Amino acid sequence: AQSVTQLGSHVSVSEGALVLLRCNYSSSVPPYLFWYVQYPNQGLQLLLKYTTGATLVKGINGFEAEFKKSETSFHLTKPSAHMSDAAEYFCALGGSTLGRLYFGRGTQLTVWP
Amino acid sequence: EAQVTQNPRYLITVTGKKLTVTCSQNMNHEYMSWYRQDPGLGLRQIYYSMNVEVTDKGDVPEGYKVSRKEKRNFPLILESPSPNQTSLYFCASSLSVGPIGTQYFGPGTRLTVL
Repeated sequence: AQSVTQLGSHVSVSEGALVLLRCNYSSSVPPYLFWYVQYPNQGLQLLLKYTTGATLVKGINGFEAEFKKSETSFHLTKPSAHMSDAAEYFCALGGSTLGRLYFGRGTQLTVWP
Repeated sequence: EAQVTQNPRYLITVTGKKLTVTCSQNMNHEYMSWYRQDPGLGLRQIYYSMNVEVTDKGDVPEGYKVSRKEKRNFPLILESPSPNQTSLYFCASSLSVGPIGTQYFGPGTRLTVL
């Protein structure tokens, strides 16, 4: 079965602090993994994706994620949070059935000044 | 400008009154998909289309219909809406066949069914 679990529905950090958003997956086939961001009252925008190859993936706005097969994880990090990073973040999984994409429940990131 | 458009953006309707939410993309994308977003549940896939005349079910297809007669359009049809279909709906498209490529999302349609 394909599924995505995001640990922590809300994460709060101070501006300049490390951002860590957790994502674990379950997949019967090699996964394709994505992180999307949703700013208030907007659609989703792709931050980064892992398909094959290098396990450390760099995305937009200074975010990166590391695919760890042994831990079935794909956590999103950013060294220094900015106020503009406040948004909802979704981890997503594809690969088992062409066309299917499974989303986690989302993590709301709040950044305090 | 490359974009996915949805209409209407907001809709309040009553139970049982058929409605259609349109989705159009101008990027010549093969793949299109519909999702619904509910608080605490994230996004769930309703239907997707790999190409013209090719559609398939996602996680929550019950109560919805789709069609893909043209490459650019992928309307979502609610034949007899019910209150549990009150939600925020997103259409997305991707150049790649399947969601492996970058999906571009529309701005969303907020539907309320009374």
